[in-house]
Amino acid sequence: DTGVSQDPRHKITKRGQNVTFRCDPISEHNRLYWYRQTLGQGPEFLTYFQNEAQLEKSRLLSDRFSAERPKGSFSTLEIQRTEQGDSAMYLCASSFQTVTTGELFFGEGSRLTVL
Amino acid sequence: KQEVTQIPAALSVPEGENLVLNCSFTDSAIYNLQWFRQDPGKGLTSLLLIQSSQREQTSGRLNASLDKSSGRSTLYIAASQPGDSATYLCATVGGSEKLVFGKGTKLTVNP
Repeated sequence: DTGVSQDPRHKITKRGQNVTFRCDPISEHNRLYWYRQTLGQGPEFLTYFQNEAQLEKSRLLSDRFSAERPKGSFSTLEIQRTEQGDSAMYLCASSFQTVTTGELFFGEGSRLTVL
Repeated sequence: KQEVTQIPAALSVPEGENLVLNCSFTDSAIYNLQWFRQDPGKGLTSLLLIQSSQREQTSGRLNASLDKSSGRSTLYIAASQPGDSATYLCATVGGSEKLVFGKGTKLTVNP
């Protein structure tokens, strides 16, 4: 068990470019979450999948953001037409149980810098 | 809307000291409260999870308490060590799959 894996760990891009992040959850976990964390702040919820179904989305997830989990395993988070305000750490987490009863396991994050 | 506050924002202590980190929340209708540790530039590591029906949880030198009625939780660290230096975040879970985090307390333990 290698834990939650995220790729790439760092991404520097120019404003207006598209970026995609990948998350591989712990293998037996059917729940997958994306959070965003800016400097000096706590993580903010973006979206949640149970298997391949996207069940909850934050208002933070604008039209430029899209997340998928096509086969209920890995997930991708794509940001189109990046803006400087998108610069943040994007954290993926997974769990076997609902977070109302069980722990959440986070990956190391993907840090995005938009120039 | 749930708001989670952590005080102090930063704390510096000498090695060996016992310390308490505070977390307060505005909506007491929570399922649980979780404490995490975050090292610089890294992801979050779960430390303790307290269900709403529990008063406290312990793991090694860590003890977390929960008082739902007053909207408060504390994380007690005994005999602090330099390796405990990190940012500590608390998060509440309400009626959805979303965790609501505080901004964290940055702890520095000086040798």
